[in-house]
Amino acid sequence: QKEVEQDPGPLSVPEGAIVSLNCTYSNSAFQYFMWYRQYSRKGPELLMYTYSSGNKEDGRFTAQVDKSSKYISLFIRDSQPSDSATYLCAMRDTDKLIFGTGTRLQVFP
Amino acid sequence: DTGVSQDPRHKITKRGQNVTFRCDPISEHNRLYWYRQTLGQGPEFLTYFQNEAQLEKSRLLSDRFSAERPKGSFSTLEIQRTEQGDSAMYLCASSFRVDEQFFGPGTRLTVL
Repeated sequence: QKEVEQDPGPLSVPEGAIVSLNCTYSNSAFQYFMWYRQYSRKGPELLMYTYSSGNKEDGRFTAQVDKSSKYISLFIRDSQPSDSATYLCAMRDTDKLIFGTGTRLQVFP
Repeated sequence: DTGVSQDPRHKITKRGQNVTFRCDPISEHNRLYWYRQTLGQGPEFLTYFQNEAQLEKSRLLSDRFSAERPKGSFSTLEIQRTEQGDSAMYLCASSFRVDEQFFGPGTRLTVL
């Protein structure tokens, strides 16, 4: 079993939809959680960063962490075609990040 | 552009050849990381520097791989005697903190 599990998708939604992306993890010691966006053939770009449980909002993006369930989510409101990318969850493990496999999202007009 | 830069962006080599990649981090960042990403997977940690000291290496980093960060500035990653399984995107990231890493565009390696 991988430490971080993420549905690879692809997830295809119409423009304007609310998108929900999720990851589960096995190590209860993880405290820091990140979401990265990666466009094709580019490096990952940090979107959201949260510590411990709770919600964090930034524009159209909301990150949620439920440590009791070892489950994290990223919500995208009013999705746009420019949101089409791979979304990677990541967790801090001492001095490095552990990534999920990424979920490929396509938003069609 | 003051982000992380990597060179070359693409490298095609024959099996058995040596290759070297360079990463220039964001100038004030003291931490530098190398990750490897294969198709359909997330990045996997290879190694990490704090200033010039290499503090952690993954078991993925076989004896054929070596990384340096002289003077705590740019870093190089060398792969000796390349194998087809080394074909991947090699990503460099830099940061002040572990949890806010900024990635470069990557070097895509193809081993024929």
